[in-house]
Amino acid sequence: GNSVTQMEGPVTLSEEAFLTINCTYTATGYPSLFWYVQYPGEGLQLLLKATKADDKGSNKGFEATYRKETTSFHLEKGSVQVSDSAVYFCALTTVTGANSKLTFGKGITLSVRP
Amino acid sequence: DVKVTQSSRYLVKRTGEKVFLECVQDMDHENMFWYRQDPGLGLRLIYFSYDVKMKEKGDIPEGYSVSREKKERFSLILESASTNQTSMYLCASRRGGPQETQYFGPGTRLLVL
Repeated sequence: GNSVTQMEGPVTLSEEAFLTINCTYTATGYPSLFWYVQYPGEGLQLLLKATKADDKGSNKGFEATYRKETTSFHLEKGSVQVSDSAVYFCALTTVTGANSKLTFGKGITLSVRP
Repeated sequence: DVKVTQSSRYLVKRTGEKVFLECVQDMDHENMFWYRQDPGLGLRLIYFSYDVKMKEKGDIPEGYSVSREKKERFSLILESASTNQTSMYLCASRRGGPQETQYFGPGTRLLVL
């Protein structure tokens, strides 16, 4: 079956630090990969996605590259801000039909200090 | 903008009560989902629906049922609430296939006493 493994958290960084959040996956077939973010008191929202190997998703200064050879989709940002404090979820889906579902990782909490 | 709304942000119920959680989306999405979110466990899918009156079990359907009588509305029902159902419940909707974006509501934090 499908599974997503995220690095253990929480993560605390100072403003302007470099961020890497690791995500690896196990999937049958050829998955699409996602990062969702949950800001305090809100539901999840899509941050970025990649649908095939070597694709790079990017949004709001965040990037992640779909690496098939290492089954990874690590999230990076060059300079974090206090407003990036949130919970980050890696997720995948394998395209087996219109009613396919997402498999989420456990999420990791990021806190950014001023 | 897509909007997914949930009927309550916070809810307190007693063990054994029947609980209804309502979710409404305003973008004519075919697919709707109910998740629960627990610390250290992430999001787990309870049920989803890909059309009116259609439903499929997710990973943890035990103790829950759902209803989708209209396209825009997807209800989660706890037939007899138990303390282990204390959690954050998130509703989501999606248009089209699995590569498309899921849109989430703000969540309902349920406490069962």
